[in-house]
Amino acid sequence: GQNIDQPTEMTATEGAIVQINCTYQTSGFNGLFWYQQHAGEAPTFLSYNVLDGLEEKGRFSSFLSRSKGYSYLLLKELQMKDSASYLCASMDSNYQLIWGAGTKLIIKP
Amino acid sequence: GAVVSQHPSWVICKSGTSVKIECRSLDFQATTMFWYRQFPKQSLMLMATSNEGSKATYEQGVEKDKFLINHASLTLSTLTVTSAHPEDSSFYICSAGLPRGGNEQFFGPGTRLTVL
Repeated sequence: GQNIDQPTEMTATEGAIVQINCTYQTSGFNGLFWYQQHAGEAPTFLSYNVLDGLEEKGRFSSFLSRSKGYSYLLLKELQMKDSASYLCASMDSNYQLIWGAGTKLIIKP
Repeated sequence: GAVVSQHPSWVICKSGTSVKIECRSLDFQATTMFWYRQFPKQSLMLMATSNEGSKATYEQGVEKDKFLINHASLTLSTLTVTSAHPEDSSFYICSAGLPRGGNEQFFGPGTRLTVL
């Protein structure tokens, strides 16, 4: 079956670094996405990885290991506005996104 | 670029009525749009894939006669919730991919439906 696992909730301190992990099992693979979703809003795109390695984009970085079925999203210099849910999604062989349940990130001052 | 809009943003309706939600790609043509439903504190659930000029492809467990999807043009897809019931209350989100290039999906702002 197809499955995406990520932690339900994480807490971090403003200014710190946090890593949100995601493991996936999908029928075929066409990339791994990370989206940010604030409460009551639609998801917004953060990153896309299809090759192994680290992609850095400002304060956010995303890593992929296809052999391990593993990805992480790294958030640096955390700001209060980063409090949100972070959704991991794997695109399967039919180009459909298989979504994780999301990780609620709580930032404390 | 790649902006997707939805209308309405929120709607409250009585049980038994029908509600239409519009999804538009504002600055690009979307041959394929996706309709999702999200219940509180849960992940996005794909309901159906909407293809311009053809019938939508529904996910298992989604009633196609209850959730009518029409993709009449390259910039507009509509979802009609027919004979809505309180259990249909949810956050409905559409997304679209660019016709050429990349696998990224661009999401509309979502429509919050409350059925009384």
